[in-house]
Amino acid sequence: NAGVMQNPRHLVRRRGQEARLRCSPMKGHSHVYWYRQLPEEGLKFMVYLQKENIIDESGMPKERFSAEFPKEGPSILRIQQVVRGDSAAYFCASSPGTRISNEQFFGPGTRLTVL
Amino acid sequence: DQQVKQNSPSLSVQEGRISILNCDYTNSMFDYFLWYKKYPAEGPTFLISISSIKDKNEDGRFTVFLNKSAKHLSLHIVPSQPGDSAVYFCAAASRGGSNYKLTFGKGTLLTVNP
Repeated sequence: NAGVMQNPRHLVRRRGQEARLRCSPMKGHSHVYWYRQLPEEGLKFMVYLQKENIIDESGMPKERFSAEFPKEGPSILRIQQVVRGDSAAYFCASSPGTRISNEQFFGPGTRLTVL
Repeated sequence: DQQVKQNSPSLSVQEGRISILNCDYTNSMFDYFLWYKKYPAEGPTFLISISSIKDKNEDGRFTVFLNKSAKHLSLHIVPSQPGDSAVYFCAAASRGGSNYKLTFGKGTLLTVNP
């Protein structure tokens, strides 16, 4: 059973470009979470999605960031017009449900560098 | 505003000895706590958790202690092994409401020397 998959693992963008980060949850998991880890910081919650629904996006910056989890295919975190402050590791996690005892399984992360 | 604090950025211990990693929290709504372990270039891996109705949870070499009155928890690893060398994150959640939203500390880098 493959774990949570994220691609690309490393992404380099110039200021003003768009970044698309993909996450495929574990088989059987329909709940996806995105977290961001800035340098020297802990992971911070960004958004929680179920298939075709954004459940909680309270941690997402108000502008330039969007997320989706379509009926088919991976979840996508999209950052438009990237700035240097967007450089971070972005982790996706998935779970089979939202009971607190349902462990969130994390992917290896995408390291975004904005030049 | 950091609600989960890990005040020691790093810890070094000798193989076979006990490792004690500490975590403090400020939000009294937190009632479920988790420890994650992270190797470089990998995502965090769940290690052990504890609910606020308990003050101790043990799983093999790993034990988590919770002191609710002090809003403090600690992870004990005994005996420590070189393979335990990693960054350890403390995380907290609230059962009511958004219980999926984990709040992480900044992590403690544990180095276990052979």
